[in-house]
Amino acid sequence: DGGITQSPKYLFRKEGQNVTLSCEQNLNHDAMYWYRQDPGQGLRLIYYSQIVNDFQKGDIAEGYSVSREKKESFPLTVTSAQKNPTAFYLCASMIRQGNTEAFFGQGTRLTVV
Amino acid sequence: GESVGLHLPTLSVQEGDNSIINCAYSNSASDYFIWYKQESGKGPQFIIDIRSNMDKRQGQRVTVLLNKTVKHLSLQIAATQPGDSAVYFCAENINSGAGSYQLTFGKGTKLSVIP
Repeated sequence: DGGITQSPKYLFRKEGQNVTLSCEQNLNHDAMYWYRQDPGQGLRLIYYSQIVNDFQKGDIAEGYSVSREKKESFPLTVTSAQKNPTAFYLCASMIRQGNTEAFFGQGTRLTVV
Repeated sequence: GESVGLHLPTLSVQEGDNSIINCAYSNSASDYFIWYKQESGKGPQFIIDIRSNMDKRQGQRVTVLLNKTVKHLSLQIAATQPGDSAVYFCAENINSGAGSYQLTFGKGTKLSVIP
């Protein structure tokens, strides 16, 4: 089945450590996005990529990094520079031409311990 | 800043009644809007969309209304069911240049259906 997969579902990280969240899609979508969601809040854009080997910062990119080496994959690294990383992270993909809906993964809940 | 927002953070409705969830947006250049439903611990799911050249669009039990004059969007759910309990987000798709699109979300409205 076509879809977008995030892994792991739950992730624990010690303070000062980097951690990478996986996002894979087999929808043949060019555009991919990472959002952060805090409890009772909406989704805030971290990074997005419209094409392989290219990506742009969103509204809250500080403390995060991404790569887009393959069309299917858009991993997000939460670095130690991110002061408050505990959150629910959502990955989405969209046909690049826009004016179509984004498809979301099921999310990764990151907790710093 | 956030250009998409919701008027009511929570909404409780009796099962069988109609629900109306409202959303305001500020970017007059936005030409595509989407409503998503998010259940607890899950990713948002597409409900319905509308383009700026339309005022109304209907789906199964859902209707989206767009008022471009006052930059207002609403989602109407007919005969609300317990399975409709979730957080609902409106989102606008903004062309950020060179064929690049950003999807911007509001804070969401939590809909609770009373059996």
